[in-house]
Amino acid sequence: DGGITQSPKYLFRKEGQNVTLSCEQNLNHDAMYWYRQDPGQGLRLIYYSQIVNDFQKGDIAEGYSVSREKKESFPLTVTSAQKNPTAFYLCASKDGRATTEAFFGQGTRLTVV
Amino acid sequence: QQQVKQSPQSLIVQKGGISIINCAYENTAFDYFPWYQQFPGKGPALLIAIRPDVSEKKEGRFTISFNKSAKQFSLHIMDSQPGDSATYFCAASVLQGAQKLVFGQGTRLTINP
Repeated sequence: DGGITQSPKYLFRKEGQNVTLSCEQNLNHDAMYWYRQDPGQGLRLIYYSQIVNDFQKGDIAEGYSVSREKKESFPLTVTSAQKNPTAFYLCASKDGRATTEAFFGQGTRLTVV
Repeated sequence: QQQVKQSPQSLIVQKGGISIINCAYENTAFDYFPWYQQFPGKGPALLIAIRPDVSEKKEGRFTISFNKSAKQFSLHIMDSQPGDSATYFCAASVLQGAQKLVFGQGTRLTINP
């Protein structure tokens, strides 16, 4: 089955620790995106990547880092510098053609304990 | 700065009724307007999308109405069913370049049986 896989589904982190969220796609999409979802605020863009070995900051990149070493993979690291990391994180991918659909993974719910 | 404003935040409709969700945007460069449906604990999935060269698009019970001069667009769900109960997000993007989606705040729709 083609799609986007995010893991883990639930993640607990102690304050001061870095944690990495996984996102893998087998859709052969060039572009990948990370969004953060908080109640009442919709989805906000953290980072995005249009091609391998290149990525750009989104609207709320502070406290996060990414890498894009392979086309299929776009992991997100939530660092200790992120002041309020508890949220639902969504990864998406899209091919480069206009009006094609962006596909989302099932999300990772991160909780700081 | 919220570039896409969505209302209402929550909506309760009786089964068989019409559900209407409204969005307004600021950036006149936006040229792609999708609506996403999200069930609890899941990632959003594309429901229907419109380009600004048409004023209306219908797919089954779902219709997007688009008013370019007012910079507004809306989702109408006809004959609303309990299975339509979900959170709905409008979004907008520019199809050139990174094609980043800017989301509205979301509307939690409940269809009462």
